[in-house]
Amino acid sequence: EPEVTQTPSHQVTQMGQEVILRCVPISNHLYFYWYRQILGQKVEFLVSFYNNEISEKSEIFDDQFSVERPDGSNFTLKIRSTKLEDSAMYFCASSREGGGTEAFFGQGTRLTVV
Amino acid sequence: DAKTTQPPSMDCAEGRAANLPCNHSTISGNEYVYWYRQIHSQGPQYIIHGLKNNETNEMASLIITEDRKSSTLILPHATLRDTAVYYCIVRGPYNTDKLIFGTGTRLQVFP
Repeated sequence: EPEVTQTPSHQVTQMGQEVILRCVPISNHLYFYWYRQILGQKVEFLVSFYNNEISEKSEIFDDQFSVERPDGSNFTLKIRSTKLEDSAMYFCASSREGGGTEAFFGQGTRLTVV
Repeated sequence: DAKTTQPPSMDCAEGRAANLPCNHSTISGNEYVYWYRQIHSQGPQYIIHGLKNNETNEMASLIITEDRKSSTLILPHATLRDTAVYYCIVRGPYNTDKLIFGTGTRLQVFP
């Protein structure tokens, strides 16, 4: 069964450093998403991406965050200058269509900022 | 997006049906009801969704009341691997692509 793959599974970084989280969505999917979950809290939407541009973003997704689909298969989330409060599980998801279709999530990258 | 209300936790004996309720009294006519679950901090997993008719797939059944103000997710024969947090999410098909997760129902299946 096709699945969304995320790498790395765990990343430790120093405060102020840049990190790039990587995702390989399901191959025939057109919509891509990033969510995050701070330990013990809800899963929160960050951004959706379609047709090589951001279609929607939350207030969490500020100028420190960016997304890219560099080569038609990978989908990345970059955090420019990490803060302690960026420590969370980051989930990538993809869906065949937007709106009314189901999204498939990866297993997540645990980001720890020290 | 309509707000949903779910009980914070439920227990179910292994092999029995688990019935997870969700209230969404402010749902509008074109909004779907989605169910996802999250097993111990893994990525959320899609289960099922519906608009007004009852739906069934290999994982579960979704029963939506006639007035669409509430729904029930049914896991017909719960196993220990069904222990997870279950999220009921209401979403319109055209106005947004995002999923808004609440706190869900923590289902504990016991032997």
